[in-house]
Amino acid sequence: QKEVEQDPGPLSVPEGAIVSLNCTYSNSAFQYFMWYRQYSRKGPELLMYTYSSGNKEDGRFTAQVDKSSKYISLFIRDSQPSDSATYLCAMSAPGNNRKLIWGLGTSLAVNP
Amino acid sequence: NAGVTQTPKFRVLKTGQSMTLLCAQDMNHEYMYWYRQDPGMGLRLIHYSVGEGTTAKGEVPDGYNVSRLKKQNFLLGLESAAPSQTSVYFCASSYSIGRDTEAFFGQGTRLTVV
Repeated sequence: QKEVEQDPGPLSVPEGAIVSLNCTYSNSAFQYFMWYRQYSRKGPELLMYTYSSGNKEDGRFTAQVDKSSKYISLFIRDSQPSDSATYLCAMSAPGNNRKLIWGLGTSLAVNP
Repeated sequence: NAGVTQTPKFRVLKTGQSMTLLCAQDMNHEYMYWYRQDPGMGLRLIHYSVGEGTTAKGEVPDGYNVSRLKKQNFLLGLESAAPSQTSVYFCASSYSIGRDTEAFFGQGTRLTVV
């Protein structure tokens, strides 16, 4: 079993929909949780960063961490065609040189 | 405002050839990483460095070597390329421990080994 599980999709939604992306993990030591967005033929870029549990909101994006369930989510409100990308979750534990453990990524297409 | 720059962007190698991928960052980051990204496998860490003159093995180090002679540069070498090393390679850098763990990625190098 991988340390981080993420459904690769693909996920296809109409413009304006609310999108929910999720990852589950098995290592209870993870404290830092990130969502990266990767456009086709580009490198990943950090979208949201959360430390420990709770919610974080940034514009149309909300990241949630539920450490009791070992489950993290990214919500995209009023989705736009420009949100079409692959979304990767990543997490790390204190120490261990802060190495990131990555999900496989979920491919999202937002259709006009 | 370059961030992380990878050279080259594309390369085709014949089996057994060698090559070096160059990564340069201008953010004064301590940590640098080399990943490969393959369909269905996600991002896998090849080697990483926690500072100038240091290197360490990641998840899939076999067939690769690295060097970090200068803080801003991290080189990935393939001594004898194999078709299994066909992949997209990403370099990344981040702040040292105690700071945000955001990793900044380069644009990637698409390598095909025939």
